[in-house]
Amino acid sequence: GAVVSQHPSWVICKSGTSVKIECRSLDFQATTMFWYRQFPKQSLMLMATSNEGSKATYEQGVEKDKFLINHASLTLSTLTVTSAHPEDSSFYICSATQGSPYNQPQHFGDGTRLSIL
Amino acid sequence: DQQVKQNSPSLSVQEGRISILNCDYTNSMFDYFLWYKKYPAEGPTFLISISSIKDKNEDGRFTVFLNKSAKHLSLHIVPSQPGDSAVYFCAASSHSGGSNYKLTFGKGTLLTVNP
Repeated sequence: GAVVSQHPSWVICKSGTSVKIECRSLDFQATTMFWYRQFPKQSLMLMATSNEGSKATYEQGVEKDKFLINHASLTLSTLTVTSAHPEDSSFYICSATQGSPYNQPQHFGDGTRLSIL
Repeated sequence: DQQVKQNSPSLSVQEGRISILNCDYTNSMFDYFLWYKKYPAEGPTFLISISSIKDKNEDGRFTVFLNKSAKHLSLHIVPSQPGDSAVYFCAASSHSGGSNYKLTFGKGTLLTVNP
């Protein structure tokens, strides 16, 4: 149980393109989903917390107009990188909790490797 | 300022022996700790967690030990198997409410188990 699916797994696109990444909880309902970014040899850095039916909470330094998050249902959250540039190239990964995020582990998708040319 | 530190970037052990992965934290508000395992091109997989009210939690070959006074936790894998070779991340969070349930990750330790 507790499977999280992330799509696409790899994206290569031109500078200026907007890219949408989907995160789905396949066998459970996730009130809260999280979006992380990871640079090479670095730890996962939380970008934002996505709550179903409400606005996402962004971490300090993360541009909300750049990284649009939508959590329209209990099983789907999307991250849209708007007008992507080479510096946005990174590994983006989502997670979801089954139940309360306070005392339940987050379950992760397999991530999306984004490369902006 | 890194609140969760995994000071060993890599560890190599022989199959059948014990693997000990270490993690230190600086934030005394952390009260829930987790270990994740990550293979290349995959997302982290939850392994085991421990609440600060405990000092040990065991699940099969995996045991996590927590030393609150030292702000230190460790993951023991015994016996180690070649399939355990992966990057292991330590993570911590706080139950103090608000947005503090977010996980703070260490940089990971690459474990290699040699046959």
